Amino acid sequence: GENVEQHPSTLSVQEGDSAVIKCTYSDSASNYFPWYKQELGKGPQLIIDIRSNVGEKKDQRIAVTLNKTAKHFSLHITETQPEDSAVYFCAASRYTGGFKTIFGAGTRLFVKA
Amino acid sequence: VTQTPKFQVLKTGQSMTLQCAQDMNHEYMSWYRQDPGLGLRQIYYSMNVEVTDKGDVPEGYKVSRKEKRNFPLILESPSPNQTSLYFCASIVLEIYEQYFGPGTRLTVT
Repeated sequence: GENVEQHPSTLSVQEGDSAVIKCTYSDSASNYFPWYKQELGKGPQLIIDIRSNVGEKKDQRIAVTLNKTAKHFSLHITETQPEDSAVYFCAASRYTGGFKTIFGAGTRLFVKA
Repeated sequence: VTQTPKFQVLKTGQSMTLQCAQDMNHEYMSWYRQDPGLGLRQIYYSMNVEVTDKGDVPEGYKVSRKEKRNFPLILESPSPNQTSLYFCASIVLEIYEQYFGPGTRLTVT
């Protein structure tokens, strides 16, 4: 079946450094790629997204890139802060024959002060 | 998006309904389960009142959508492999954005 692979599963960085999380998807019909941040005891929260007709998007310290040919997309967090520590999920969505979303397994990010 | 209960412990075979409600007037809603190392997996989704379809892991679950606001998930005869963290989401289909509830942690013994 369709899947989304996410790497790394755990990432530890020093405060102020950058963090990069990478995902690869298999469903070529996917056209929407969101990233979610999940803090302990809470539901996932959308932090940034990118659509298939765009290659890059930035929002302050967060950026996402998409390579549709290679079916890769990545999350970049610059100038990391301790409050960035959380679990991050990538996902790939499509609306063909119903709304379907496949999530990656998640990356646990630790930002050390 | 609200979900109740927050925590629940069931015995095998003890039926249960997980509640989900949204006040954003969205037509699309979806249920997911989250398990360690597997991310979130879609169980069922609903396109509107009385219109539902299976996601990737529908076995052992039922849903109903009698009104736009509510989308309950029914476990008629739960088994231990349904122990999981369950999330409901309300979806703005035009832009694909999903808004998740706080989750229900379910343990089946």
